[in-house]
Amino acid sequence: AQTVTQSQPEMSVQEAETVTLSCTYDTSESDYYLFWYKQPPSRQMILVIRQEAYKQQNATENRFSVNFQKAAKSFSLKISDSQLGDAAMYFCAYRSAPEGNNNDMRFGAGTRLTVKP
Amino acid sequence: DARVTQTPRHKVTEMGQEVTMRCQPILGHNTVFWYRQTMMQGLELLAYFRNRAPLDDSGMPKDRFSAEMPDATLATLKIQPSEPRDSAVYFCASGLGLSIYGYTFGSGTRLTVV
Repeated sequence: AQTVTQSQPEMSVQEAETVTLSCTYDTSESDYYLFWYKQPPSRQMILVIRQEAYKQQNATENRFSVNFQKAAKSFSLKISDSQLGDAAMYFCAYRSAPEGNNNDMRFGAGTRLTVKP
Repeated sequence: DARVTQTPRHKVTEMGQEVTMRCQPILGHNTVFWYRQTMMQGLELLAYFRNRAPLDDSGMPKDRFSAEMPDATLATLKIQPSEPRDSAVYFCASGLGLSIYGYTFGSGTRLTVV
């Protein structure tokens, strides 16, 4: 079974600076998707960014970008120009590609990000 | 803006009572998930459906939990009888089965069993 590990329970960053959240995963599959979700205090789970494993190019969404290292099974999230509204729990998630056995999403334990003004 | 609707948002109940949580997936989505979130276990998959058929409910305690999709617009998660250890936030998520876009989550139901 696939597992997702987020080794940083908590991180903090100064407003306007850059922070990187780590995520590693374990899988024997070659095709899959990786996601970062944000959960603010409202508890709504919000999709931040996604990456398809077959794509070598790292995904980018405005201030959010990933560093996807397939061989190392690493999928870190970089937040640039951090804003107070970025404060939240961040979850890394793995999902098999459509041809895989499962389409459920496996989540890491989460990283709580604090943004200091 | 399409969204997944969960009701109730909060529920406090006494141990032994039946609890029913409801989810309205996004119209057109054919895959529905139930997740439970606790501080200790994080996000755990309980069950999921594809085209209303249960595909996997191995994460669900079968003796007290049941999940159904009576129709394409409604998914339910029932706990009977409820226990204090069931206290958690229960999320419903929906998506298109073969979509690469991830799944859309509802706002969750915070259940407290006293």
